[in-house]
Amino acid sequence: AQRVTQPEKLLSVFKGAPVELKCNYSYSGSPELFWYVQYSRQRLQLLLRHISRESIKGFTADLNKGETSFHLKKPFAQEEDSAMYYCALYGGSQGNLIFGKGTKLSVKP
Amino acid sequence: DAGVTQSPTHLIKTRGQQVTLRCSPISGHKSVSWYQQVLGQGPQFIFQYYEKEERGRGNFPDRFSARQFPNYSSELNVNALLLGDSALYLCASRTGGNYGYTFGSGTRLTVV
Repeated sequence: AQRVTQPEKLLSVFKGAPVELKCNYSYSGSPELFWYVQYSRQRLQLLLRHISRESIKGFTADLNKGETSFHLKKPFAQEEDSAMYYCALYGGSQGNLIFGKGTKLSVKP
Repeated sequence: DAGVTQSPTHLIKTRGQQVTLRCSPISGHKSVSWYQQVLGQGPQFIFQYYEKEERGRGNFPDRFSARQFPNYSSELNVNALLLGDSALYLCASRTGGNYGYTFGSGTRLTVV
């Protein structure tokens, strides 16, 4: 079954500390993975696509097919990074995204 | 670019009533999807439409239906509302391929 697991409901770090938001997936084919972010009172926004291998706002994510993971990382967290982060898998045949339950990142001053 | 727009932003309905939610995709986007997000959960897929045809349906009862119009806007209808239908309903659009979806701000539906 296609599934996305974000094991941490809440992650709290201090400003300047490294951040890693975990995402594991279950998918039989070649996965297409995304990270979405939702800041307080704002809409869900696309943060990263694994195929583009880009870095947005200092965040990167590497697809590890062996470990079926797509963890989101940032070397130095900023207070403005505080938000809900969702990992999502493109489901393929139905054209839908399968979301994890999300991780709330709280960056303390 | 106005982005994906949804209306209304908030809605309160009584159990048993029917509701219609509306979505306008980004200009040029032919694919529209609907998601339900309950508190504390990630969005759950309801429907996907492409070129006015249903291309996918999530695990939701037949009380949920949708359609896409020639201008690519879309409506989500929910009949016989239950308390459990209270959620944020999100619409998303994309051009195609694997560029990811762009989401609207959602409609907050409260069923009392």
